[in-house]
Amino acid sequence: DTGVSQNPRHKITKRGQNVTFRCDPISEHNRLYWYRQTLGQGPEFLTYFQNEAQLEKSRLLSDRFSAERPKGSFSTLEIQRTEQGDSAMYLCASMVGGRDTQYFGPGTRLTVL
Amino acid sequence: AQKVTQAQTEISVVEKEDVTLDCVYETRDTTYYLFWYKQPPSGELVFLIRRNSFDEQNEISGRYSWNFQKSTSSFNFTITASQVVDSAVYFCALSEAYNAGNMLTFGGGTRLMVKP
Repeated sequence: DTGVSQNPRHKITKRGQNVTFRCDPISEHNRLYWYRQTLGQGPEFLTYFQNEAQLEKSRLLSDRFSAERPKGSFSTLEIQRTEQGDSAMYLCASMVGGRDTQYFGPGTRLTVL
Repeated sequence: AQKVTQAQTEISVVEKEDVTLDCVYETRDTTYYLFWYKQPPSGELVFLIRRNSFDEQNEISGRYSWNFQKSTSSFNFTITASQVVDSAVYFCALSEAYNAGNMLTFGGGTRLMVKP
């Protein structure tokens, strides 16, 4: 049983650079979520997809953030012109249907210098 | 708006002690789901339990047990005979059924340290 996978696991970048993260959900999970977790805090919702459609975005998702899920399979989260405040753990989760359990990947830890 | 509060930011116990992690939630919805996740140092959130608002039965799974009380909006988690491997950050989370996205609202987490 393959769980949710995320790549890379760690990313260090300089302020102003663009970064892209990838999430591969559990096979046949039609919902995919992105969360952000800063040090010492609980995860906060960023956005979610049902199949390939992005249905909701949090106000935390500034214009520098964009997410895609082409063909309803893997998803990418891109941050343009990174800022030090973007340093966080970015977590991806997937779920079957609308009222089930979200299963999380290992996360991508981003450090912006 | 929904909210989850975990008042205990850090708990330290000695192995074999019992420990209870508190979770208090707020929601306007009558149908909702409550969760507990474990986050070990590796960072991955590990699902522990899911409860819907209509099921107030307490649940036991091995050394873990959960006490859901709607009257006090609490969903507490007890580890019996704690072990060093239980050391992690534990998160309580809420999802409201009226919200089509079913996104999770997390508490701030409780860091549990179990010392040998």
